[in-house]
Amino acid sequence: DTAVSQTPKYLVTQMGNDKSIKCEQNLGHDTMYWYKQDSKKFLKIMFSYNNKELIINETVPNRFSPKSPDKAHLNLHINSLELGDSAVYFCASSQGQGNTEAFFGQGTRLTVV
Amino acid sequence: AQSVTQLGSHVSVSEGALVLLRCNYSSSVPPYLFWYVQYPNQGLQLLLKYTTGATLVKGINGFEAEFKKSETSFHLTKPSAHMSDAAEYFCAVRAKAGTALIFGKGTTLSVSS
Repeated sequence: DTAVSQTPKYLVTQMGNDKSIKCEQNLGHDTMYWYKQDSKKFLKIMFSYNNKELIINETVPNRFSPKSPDKAHLNLHINSLELGDSAVYFCASSQGQGNTEAFFGQGTRLTVV
Repeated sequence: AQSVTQLGSHVSVSEGALVLLRCNYSSSVPPYLFWYVQYPNQGLQLLLKYTTGATLVKGINGFEAEFKKSETSFHLTKPSAHMSDAAEYFCAVRAKAGTALIFGKGTTLSVSS
């Protein structure tokens, strides 16, 4: 049983397209995150949701829009894709936001051509 | 604001040698500290964490880390490296509830026979 699953694993698309990445966790956690890992492997927080409410919204272009239909799902929609959006996007979840660790999905490698 | 500095973007050791990966943090409040490992084309896996209590923390795969408040450090060690330890290692900090994990830039560990 995969704890945090993302689809798709790989995504290749042209500039200007709109795409979505889906994330589901079966751990019963109440908090979910999206992180972006760039080509130098630096991990940066993008968004965080707690019980479907947006609690962290870092400086991210408004072309990126997260949606949480329920606390087990957090999807990421990207409009008008640009070359610089190419990266690996990780979904993660945790129970609470204090001393608990985050569990990560396998990542979605997005390549914009 | 909280931050993490990992000294040394690349560490090379021989199989059987001591592994030492350095992590220093900055936080205005007592932090929660984590070490994650990332194998190629995979997500992040928790190695160990420090929240409160004993400052020497043992994790999986023979790794351990010591929280030193006076030095604001949380270095990761393993007495004897194995070829399978070759991976990317990330130190992370969470300063308080309601914030996400903030990651260091990562250290690539190479192990030679």
